[in-house]
Amino acid sequence: EAGVAQSPRYKIIEKRQSVAFWCNPISGHATLYWYQQILGQGPKLLIQFQNNGVVDDSQLPKDRFSAERLKGVDSTLKIQPAKLEDSAVYLCASSLAGQGSNEQYFGPGTRLTVT
Amino acid sequence: GDSVTQMEGPVTLSEEAFLTINCTYTATGYPSLFWYVQYPGEGLQLLLKATKADDKGSNKGFEATYRKETTSFHLEKGSVQVSDSAVYFCALSSGATNKLIFGTGTLLAVQP
Repeated sequence: EAGVAQSPRYKIIEKRQSVAFWCNPISGHATLYWYQQILGQGPKLLIQFQNNGVVDDSQLPKDRFSAERLKGVDSTLKIQPAKLEDSAVYLCASSLAGQGSNEQYFGPGTRLTVT
Repeated sequence: GDSVTQMEGPVTLSEEAFLTINCTYTATGYPSLFWYVQYPGEGLQLLLKATKADDKGSNKGFEATYRKETTSFHLEKGSVQVSDSAVYFCALSSGATNKLIFGTGTLLAVQP
């Protein structure tokens, strides 16, 4: 079974530029998560989708971050404009459903460096 | 709000030593508890989990017991190997959304 796919794996941009990350979850997984992991910290949830609807985006900086999951499968996370403090690894995860203790499966992440 | 606190690293051990990584949590309600592991250059993987008080999760020789009275979920292994070198994250999920809240991670380095 294929795992969660993410691209690109690495990205370097200058501040004020824009960037987009792509995630393809495990087939059949209804719930998709985007996490931000800053160096030396644990991952922090940015946004959670159930199919193509947003369940939780309370920690998403909406003035510069946006995310979509139009057909309930793939998802894109965008930052515009980027700031230095956005340098982090962006992790995508998926699970069968969003309740209980369903295991979340993580992709390899995209390492973003903002200079 | 809910939170997880785990011991700071790095933890450096010799091969075959006993490992304990402490984790405590604060949560309303009855969370599920997890340990995730991140090997060098790889993504996060679930190591073990426990969903209710007194449950013991175990995998690959690692164990952790859900202690409601002390709000703890300490990770243990009787004899570590070099291949166990990784960053270990304690996490909880609670409420209807299954959102994971992570600790800051503990780097384990096992020397031969």
